[in-house]
Amino acid sequence: SAVISQKPSRDICQRGTSLTIQCQVDSQVTMMFWYRQQPGQSLTLIATANQGSEATYESGFVIDKFPISRPNLTFSTLTVSNMSPEDSSIYLCSAGTGGETQYFGPGTRLLVL
Amino acid sequence: KQEVTQIPAALSVPEGENLVLNCSFTDSAIYNLQWFRQDPGKGLTSLLLIQSSQREQTSGRLNASLDKSSGRSTLYIAASQPGDSATYLCAVRTSNDYKLSFGAGTTVTVRA
Repeated sequence: SAVISQKPSRDICQRGTSLTIQCQVDSQVTMMFWYRQQPGQSLTLIATANQGSEATYESGFVIDKFPISRPNLTFSTLTVSNMSPEDSSIYLCSAGTGGETQYFGPGTRLLVL
Repeated sequence: KQEVTQIPAALSVPEGENLVLNCSFTDSAIYNLQWFRQDPGKGLTSLLLIQSSQREQTSGRLNASLDKSSGRSTLYIAASQPGDSATYLCAVRTSNDYKLSFGAGTTVTVRA
């Protein structure tokens, strides 16, 4: 199994600013992902964080808005850029270890005013 | 594109009653299906994973069935307890790249 931690756990930000969320896994993992959960909705995949190369974004998400880094096999960051109130969500990091089960971090709760 | 639907959206039962949560998906060519639990203010906890070749999986009071041909999975929770109160999410993996498609979840309240 994998234990995933995220920082910060929550934040309140002003519109137009940016926030970087960190995701740390306690073991080396094959795949890392970033999801968004908007209020009252389910999880939507933002992108796959690729180690040492550019992330792979899902339809509707772009690198300029959500730049992602993954410098090694245990760490990734997601930046939410030029934030607006519509970016208020829970952002979750997940990881797959090569087995079948996918593990999730506790999430970062973001409120944009 | 895989679409995942969960019915009902919310469920309230007295303690001791059995719970039945439904999940349907549009593309039957799945790799596996996973049930998660999400507690308020917390992340997701994996409950059960069913491979596409399996019909069901059991863990304690939890049993999940999979009917791939009809695009359905059901999560049964026996003898519910107040501690079972949470949102239950169904997630389908369609390909070999670990991406998951989630349903909107069923929020369960078990009354003491």
